Amino acid sequence: DGGITQSPKYLFRKEGQNVTLSCEQNLNHDAMYWYRQDPGQGLRLIYYSQIVNDFQKGDIAEGYSVSREKKESFPLTVTSAQKNPTAFYLCASSIGGVFANEQFFGPGTRLTVL
Amino acid sequence: AQSVSQHNHHVILSEAASLELGCNYSYGGTVNLFWYVQYPGQHLQLLLKYFSGDPLVKGIKGFEAEFIKSKFSFNLRKPSVQWSDTAEYFCAVNARGGADGLTFGKGTHLIIQP
Repeated sequence: DGGITQSPKYLFRKEGQNVTLSCEQNLNHDAMYWYRQDPGQGLRLIYYSQIVNDFQKGDIAEGYSVSREKKESFPLTVTSAQKNPTAFYLCASSIGGVFANEQFFGPGTRLTVL
Repeated sequence: AQSVSQHNHHVILSEAASLELGCNYSYGGTVNLFWYVQYPGQHLQLLLKYFSGDPLVKGIKGFEAEFIKSKFSFNLRKPSVQWSDTAEYFCAVNARGGADGLTFGKGTHLIIQP
């Protein structure tokens, strides 16, 4: 069953701790993305990766870091430098390449920092 | 930089009413346009997309959208809504030429009353 998995669904952390959100896809997609969704704000792009071992900052990259060591995986670390980390985080993937394509989204992880 | 504006943040309609959700974007070049929907408790999923050709595009569940280049608009329409259309709707834009991330509008929360 092809798709994107994100774990865990809910995550709680204390202020000042780094936390890593998992994103795995078995769609054989080259491109992967991380978005943050806040109520009334829509989705905002954090980081994206068009190919393994390469990634670019999105619109709100400060306080976040990523890695892309495998095609299937694109983990996001929310660092203690992120001022407002409590949010709903969505991972997506697409075929990639020269032309833009539809992005497929995972179920999301809701992070709450206490 | 790209931006997307959705005019209605909350819309309440009765079943069988007609729907039109506005979306305007600001970008000087050629764009790909998308409408995504987020049903309660479900993944974000694609409703329809415009890449080129006929500016009137049809999507799933009876939705359609019209791309009007001169107005930088991509409004979503449905002639007769159903209770099951209750969801959050997002307009998104991607500049053609790469697998860059999407720029989303802030979303419209649609409630259909039976």
